[in-house]
Amino acid sequence: KAGVTQTPRYLIKTRGQQVTLSCSPISGHRSVSWYQQTPGQGLQFLFEYFSETQRNKGNFPGRFSGRQFSNSRSEMNVSTLELGDSALYLCASSHPESGTDTQYFGPGTRLTVL
Amino acid sequence: AQSVTQPDIHITVSEGASLELRCNYSYGATPYLFWYVQSPGQGLQLLLKYFSGDTLVQGIKGFEAEFKRSQSSFNLRKPSVHWSDAAEYFCAVVPKAAGNKLTFGGGTRVLVKP
Repeated sequence: KAGVTQTPRYLIKTRGQQVTLSCSPISGHRSVSWYQQTPGQGLQFLFEYFSETQRNKGNFPGRFSGRQFSNSRSEMNVSTLELGDSALYLCASSHPESGTDTQYFGPGTRLTVL
Repeated sequence: AQSVTQPDIHITVSEGASLELRCNYSYGATPYLFWYVQSPGQGLQLLLKYFSGDTLVQGIKGFEAEFKRSQSSFNLRKPSVHWSDAAEYFCAVVPKAAGNKLTFGGGTRVLVKP
């Protein structure tokens, strides 16, 4: 099976712009989670989607949003970008029928905000 | 407060020597436990996980981890390190009934000396 894919791999934006990142989960996986990784804050959970519904949410401002499509692909959007949004954004998919299962991560999208 | 701690930020080990990475968690009940590895510029790869049962867990790449309830620890070990093991290692937990919201430790960067 193909792994989790994320596009684009690299992005450069300027402050105030918005950005959309895409994640395609492993075939058959219905849960997609997003994480932000920065040198200062480490790895932090953004949100999880399961069957097109947000199931969990981390402590991020409303500028961070996401959605999931019927084919389980997910997008996350960051509006009004700030310098502090520069990070590696990781997507993970899993195949839980319920509860917790192992998450498999994609290679990430490196976002740089200038 | 619930937390995951990796006390060692950096560890340097000689090739062929043994490696032990520490992870402690602070949760009311034993959570699900994971170890992931991240090579530079890459996403996270699952090494092993503990959900229940045998407290000594075998993973990929020759790694193992031991869950100790009395110490709230889940330490990762490898008997003989290879130069390719140089990477950053993350311990992560999910409280039971918390879906897929992983909480990560700060990571331990492993350097391997020839």
